[in-house]
Amino acid sequence: DTGVSQDPRHKITKRGQNVTFRCDPISEHNRLYWYRQTLGQGPEFLTYFQNEAQLEKSRLLSDRFSAERPKGSFSTLEIQRTEQGDSAMYLCASSLSTGQLMKAFFGQGTRLTVV
Amino acid sequence: AQRVTQPEKLLSVFKGAPVELKCNYSYSGSPELFWYVQYSRQRLQLLLRHISRESIKGFTADLNKGETSFHLKKPFAQEEDSAMYYCALNGGNQFYFGTGTSLTVIP
Repeated sequence: DTGVSQDPRHKITKRGQNVTFRCDPISEHNRLYWYRQTLGQGPEFLTYFQNEAQLEKSRLLSDRFSAERPKGSFSTLEIQRTEQGDSAMYLCASSLSTGQLMKAFFGQGTRLTVV
Repeated sequence: AQRVTQPEKLLSVFKGAPVELKCNYSYSGSPELFWYVQYSRQRLQLLLRHISRESIKGFTADLNKGETSFHLKKPFAQEEDSAMYYCALNGGNQFYFGTGTSLTVIP
């Protein structure tokens, strides 16, 4: 499968614990995005990378959230001291940055449940 | 501010009937608009984009800059079209999504 892959698919954690998610984008894509989706809502932008540089972060991304893309390939999203409000589907997407080819491909997401 | 509005959360049509899913946007620049679809238990996938002016699975969407709309249309709905549809706008650095419309095609 050469699409965007995310790991794990599901994560249940206790409030206060830290969690880390991984995203492997399509290999030639230089842009990588993280989104969060809650029930009844569309995906909400969290952050994006161009290669290894994190170029934009949403206000939704509190200081408990950190994302990295160390070598411009895979990315990790870490949530520290999880809260029940963090329960959501976390989506990763990747794209090329060239205009005509700039369409995002999504992974299947990681569903986080904080209990 | 960039915004994508999908006024209908739920839409039901009979098989063979025309379907239109509405999308309005606000964006100060020249937008790129997309429709994404999510079938049950599957990932979000691109359905079509305005720049391509294509028809995918019988769906078309025309960008109307005067009305700031990008409605998705299909003349004859099929049962397999039942899914969640999201309108999205590319604002240069990110994609902005609407809240989605759940389409049910009744046999």
